[in-house]
Amino acid sequence: GAVVSQHPSWVICKSGTSVKIECRSLDFQATTMFWYRQFPKQSLMLMATSNEGSKATYEQGVEKDKFLINHASLTLSTLTVTSAHPEDSSFYICSATGMNTEAFFGQGTRLTVV
Amino acid sequence: GESVGLHLPTLSVQEGDNSIINCAYSNSASDYFIWYKQESGKGPQFIIDIRSNMDKRQGQRVTVLLNKTVKHLSLQIAATQPGDSAVYFCAENSEYGNKLVFGAGTILRVKS
Repeated sequence: GAVVSQHPSWVICKSGTSVKIECRSLDFQATTMFWYRQFPKQSLMLMATSNEGSKATYEQGVEKDKFLINHASLTLSTLTVTSAHPEDSSFYICSATGMNTEAFFGQGTRLTVV
Repeated sequence: GESVGLHLPTLSVQEGDNSIINCAYSNSASDYFIWYKQESGKGPQFIIDIRSNMDKRQGQRVTVLLNKTVKHLSLQIAATQPGDSAVYFCAENSEYGNKLVFGAGTILRVKS
């Protein structure tokens, strides 16, 4: 299957700082990328949908000014958690789809805010 | 057996037995369903999918059954192995390639 790579796989940051997570589709053009958040022993919750070259669409309850999403190219989307707080600690997962393809998931990023 | 409560339900099976994991989906307009396996600390891994115009699809050691009347999906794993231990999620969407809505998940524990 196609490969989606997330970076970093884990990050620890201080409260109040910002963290950027990258999601890359390595062998196909991702017209749409999705960002999910997963708390321990819970399911994946969609945060936002990102289409290349346009503004992301956020799910209800997700602060767009706190979780900045950029999808500047067909192979890269970034999620920036701004002014991170301990409650933002979670597992962040991206997925990518191309034209008429299934969704391929990255390996996830474990964010710990201390 | 299964346990349901505040945590993810857990299904414990003996190695070599068959496993059946169930999922109830919410949107009657959904026409595409996927089962994912997630190991600890990793992203979801595609197992098998099914479109709403089918009621059964088989893969290698896995079978997905879809009952649209009661909005129910199941994943059957034959001859369950220790490597099958993981959390399993069903996901639904109403348009191919669009956003997926994930179910709550089921922990599968395989006892040797």
